[in-house]
Amino acid sequence: EVQLLESGGGLVQPGGSLRLSCAASGFIFSSYAMSWVRQAPGKGLEWVSAISGSGGGTYYADSVKGRFTISRDNSKNTLYLQIDSLRAEDTAVYYCAKGSRASGTIRFDYWGQGTLVTVSS
Amino acid sequence: EIVLTQSPATLSLSPGERATLSCRASQSVSSYLAWYQQKPGQAPRLLIYDASNGATGIPARFSGSGSGTDFTLTISSLEPEDFAVYYCQQRSNWPITFGQGTRLEIK
Repeated sequence: EVQLLESGGGLVQPGGSLRLSCAASGFIFSSYAMSWVRQAPGKGLEWVSAISGSGGGTYYADSVKGRFTISRDNSKNTLYLQIDSLRAEDTAVYYCAKGSRASGTIRFDYWGQGTLVTVSS
Repeated sequence: EIVLTQSPATLSLSPGERATLSCRASQSVSSYLAWYQQKPGQAPRLLIYDASNGATGIPARFSGSGSGTDFTLTISSLEPEDFAVYYCQQRSNWPITFGQGTRLEIK
């Protein structure tokens, strides 16, 4: 059974930083691209970032480019999102999602339950 | 960036009725379109991928069609658990994009 468990969310001041983690199990982690998708309160889904199975390819939405860094540790079956220079508009539930293949554009076969990031002073 | 426009924004129907949801892309996405269902307080769930393929464990009442720029998600006979928000998503080009969602509510 595929399981994705996010952690690391919380309340942070504008300009602050957080590192989100996603622990994966139930599949061969290194064989699949992974992604972060966020959802602001009461709003729709917004793709944030993706990383290939090997970690060699990374992709970002324009809204987060230069502030967010996606990475993965295939030895630990864990996906990360380093979030810097946080803004109020980054407030959202951040979902970890498993991609449908190792690289390239993907659909999201499985999703975690999300971790809430709140940016406020 | 490919913009996905879903219609209607809200659809009010009764259990047992047929639901037809639309997703239109600003340029061709071939068949690289997926549909997701999201219930309150839950993560999204993949329903349909590559326009017309049902994901694992999805009931047969859910079907998808279309290619290019126009896509449809059809629920043949609504069950009470089907009332939720539905999103389309394209994987034709980076950045990956989602539609704004259609809320399916009980009439």
